[in-house]
Amino acid sequence: AQSVTQPDARVTVSEGASLQLRCKYSYSATPYLFWYVQYPRQGLQLLLKYYSGDPVVQGVNGFEAEFSKSNSSFHLRKASVHWSDSAVYFCAVSYSAGNKLTFGIGTRVLVRP
Amino acid sequence: DTTVKQNPRYKLARVGKPVNLICSQTMNHDTMYWYQKKPNQAPKLLLFYYDKILNREADTFEKFQSSRPNNSFCSLYIGSAGLEYSAMYLCASSRGRANTEVFFGKGTRLTVV
Repeated sequence: AQSVTQPDARVTVSEGASLQLRCKYSYSATPYLFWYVQYPRQGLQLLLKYYSGDPVVQGVNGFEAEFSKSNSSFHLRKASVHWSDSAVYFCAVSYSAGNKLTFGIGTRVLVRP
Repeated sequence: DTTVKQNPRYKLARVGKPVNLICSQTMNHDTMYWYQKKPNQAPKLLLFYYDKILNREADTFEKFQSSRPNNSFCSLYIGSAGLEYSAMYLCASSRGRANTEVFFGKGTRLTVV
């Protein structure tokens, strides 16, 4: 069965610093890859997605992610975080062009002022 | 309006009693999903409706029921709540079943006592 691993449960960074959140998946084929964010008291919102093509994809609010087939990874990055980026970030995959999402457990990000 | 609404936001239920959670969307999406999220676990897909066709995941097949009386509404029904059902329940919707953005509601936190 497919799985998604987010090894960091919590990450704390200072405002203005860079951020990288790690995500690895296990599956023999290349999945469709997503990053979702959940702000406090809000629903999950799509940050960005990768289906094919350029392995670096741009998302909203300055986020980008890079797909690596050799490493089975889809890491999320932001060059300079803002306090409003404090949230829980979920990596997710789907297969066979479907919308059935398999999520990781999420990484809680705290941005210190 | 890209909102998926869930009612209630918080629900308290007694062991052995039925529970009914409600979800609605006005985006005319033909697919609606229910996920379960427990602390320190990944959101887990329970079931989804594509139009009027219900698809339940194999490992939750007998634990949850659902109905979709019209395109906008979808419910999640637990016939006899157990302590293990305490979780956040996330409703989501999408247009189609593949390669389209999935929109999530804020969730209903169910506590079974």
